[in-house]
Amino acid sequence: SAVISQKPSRDICQRGTSLTIQCQVDSQVTMMFWYRQQPGQSLTLIATANQGSEATYESGFVIDKFPISRPNLTFSTLTVSNMSPEDSSIYLCSARPRGLETQYFGPGTRLLVL
Amino acid sequence: KQEVTQIPAALSVPEGENLVLNCSFTDSAIYNLQWFRQDPGKGLTSLLLIQSSQREQTSGRLNASLDKSSGRSTLYIAASQPGDSATYLCAVHTGTASKLTFGTGTRLQVTL
Repeated sequence: SAVISQKPSRDICQRGTSLTIQCQVDSQVTMMFWYRQQPGQSLTLIATANQGSEATYESGFVIDKFPISRPNLTFSTLTVSNMSPEDSSIYLCSARPRGLETQYFGPGTRLLVL
Repeated sequence: KQEVTQIPAALSVPEGENLVLNCSFTDSAIYNLQWFRQDPGKGLTSLLLIQSSQREQTSGRLNASLDKSSGRSTLYIAASQPGDSATYLCAVHTGTASKLTFGTGTRLQVTL
């Protein structure tokens, strides 16, 4: 299994600012993912964080708005840039350990943009 | 494009009842299907994973089945307890990019 932590757990931000969310996994993982869960909705994949190369973004999400870093096999960051109230969501980090198919999730970061 | 639907959207049952949650998906070319539980304001907890070659998986009071050809999965919860109250999500793993596509979720409430 994998234990995933995220920081911050929640934040309230002003329109136009940026927030960086950190994700730490307790073991080396091959794949890390970032999801968004808008109020009352299910999860939507933002991007796959690739170690040593640029992230792969899903349709509707762009690097300028959601830059992602993955400097090693246990850590990734997601930045939500130039925020607007529509960015208010829960952002979840996820990882798939080596040799396993089960995907594990962090506790999420609750973001409110005013 | 894979689409995943869960029925019902919400369910309320008295403690002790057995219940079934349904998940359907449009593209049967899946690698596996995973059931998760999400408590209010929390992240996701993995419950069961069924490989595409399997028909069912069991963990304690939970049993998940998979009929890949018809694009359906069910999660059976036996002898429900108030602690089972949560939102249950199914997700299918498809495509070469190993992405999970999530269903809309079933919000379960088990009452005393």
